[in-house]
Amino acid sequence: SQTIHQWPATLVQPVGSPLSLECTVEGTSNPNLYWYRQAAGRGLQLLFYSVGIGQISSEVPQNLSASRPQDRQFILSSKKLLLSDSGFYLCAWSFKRGGFTEKLFFGSGTQLSVL
Amino acid sequence: SQQGEEDPQALSIQEGENATMNCSYKTSINNLQWYRQNSGRGLVHLILIRSNEREKHSGRLRVTLDTSKKSSSLLITASRAADTASYFCATDATTDKLIFGTGTRLQVFP
Repeated sequence: SQTIHQWPATLVQPVGSPLSLECTVEGTSNPNLYWYRQAAGRGLQLLFYSVGIGQISSEVPQNLSASRPQDRQFILSSKKLLLSDSGFYLCAWSFKRGGFTEKLFFGSGTQLSVL
Repeated sequence: SQQGEEDPQALSIQEGENATMNCSYKTSINNLQWYRQNSGRGLVHLILIRSNEREKHSGRLRVTLDTSKKSSSLLITASRAADTASYFCATDATTDKLIFGTGTRLQVFP
């Protein structure tokens, strides 16, 4: 069976500090990978998605970047955090199916507070 | 950008009652999905309905899709306190990209 690991669960960082959130998937190969952000009490905003190693699509211009150095590893980074980067970050994966998007499997999320 | 908008934003009911949530979206889709999120947790997939389907059932869940109106509804029958959560619809207007709505917060009182 497949599992997704996302860490850390909680993170408090000062403004201007760097960020690295990591997500790994086990039990499958060549998944689609996603990073979403959720503001308190709000819906999910798609930040990045990847259909393969080194292939990153950015949805929203912002202070964040993503990388996929290995098939089942997805990293969200920032060189200098802003207050507005605070939120609940969720990693997700899906199988590939031609022509449409399969259901997503989500990690447990990282609550980031930038102070 | 948000593709879907759920209605109502919040819903409070008693155990045993039915809960209905609606989702409207803007562009043509391949499929529409519903997810559930408990507070502070990741989302869990509930049901997927394809654009050529009109209704789908899974246990106490019933989903309908009206592509002419660009809308979907999620019905939870005989609600339980454990159904308390936020519910989101999501659409894939573009392959490999799932866009979520704003969510409905459901509170089921014992």
